[in-house]
Amino acid sequence: GENVEQHPSTLSVQEGDSAVIKCTYSDSASNYFPWYKQELGKGPQLIIDIRSNVGEKKDQRIAVTLNKTAKHFSLHITETQPEDSAVYFCAASNWRNNLFFGTGTRLTVIP
Amino acid sequence: DAGVIQSPRHEVTEMGQEVTLRCKPISGHNSLFWYRQTMMRGLELLIYFNNNVPIDDSGMPEDRFSAKMPNASFSTLKIQPSEPRDSAVYFCASSPSTGRDIQYFGAGTRLSVL
Repeated sequence: GENVEQHPSTLSVQEGDSAVIKCTYSDSASNYFPWYKQELGKGPQLIIDIRSNVGEKKDQRIAVTLNKTAKHFSLHITETQPEDSAVYFCAASNWRNNLFFGTGTRLTVIP
Repeated sequence: DAGVIQSPRHEVTEMGQEVTLRCKPISGHNSLFWYRQTMMRGLELLIYFNNNVPIDDSGMPEDRFSAKMPNASFSTLKIQPSEPRDSAVYFCASSPSTGRDIQYFGAGTRLSVL
């Protein structure tokens, strides 16, 4: 099955700085890579996703990049704000398989 | 749309009692998932329904756990009898696709078994 590794487990940045979270996956058949944000006491919220036919996708301050050859993908948050503080999960899936989640990154944005 | 709705948000029960968690998926979505989240094991898929039919229940930990989806707008996850090690946050998610990729999560039910 798929194995998704996520780094770092915790990340602290100053408000206004950028944050980068990286994930690797093992199954070359995986073709869908979503990112979820989970705030305290809430469910994971889908914030951005990318499919394997695309190398990069951007939505305002967040972007995801994918390197299929190296089997890794990253989440980039620019101009971080205190409300970006949360736990972020990456995941990988192909159409027929489960979503396999990373272990999460706790992001803290320091005002 | 109201999103995926789960109830109750919190449940405290004693060991041996029956627990029923409820989920209403997003209208029009044809896939539904139940997950369990713990610090030790992260997010684990318990069971997946497509068009109300259980497709993959390989993640259900043991016979004490059962799930049903009697119609497209309602699902239950039952634990009978409950044990302290079942304490976790249980999430329901739904997807508009037949596959398992795009999933939208509910707010979860925090279960504490004493």
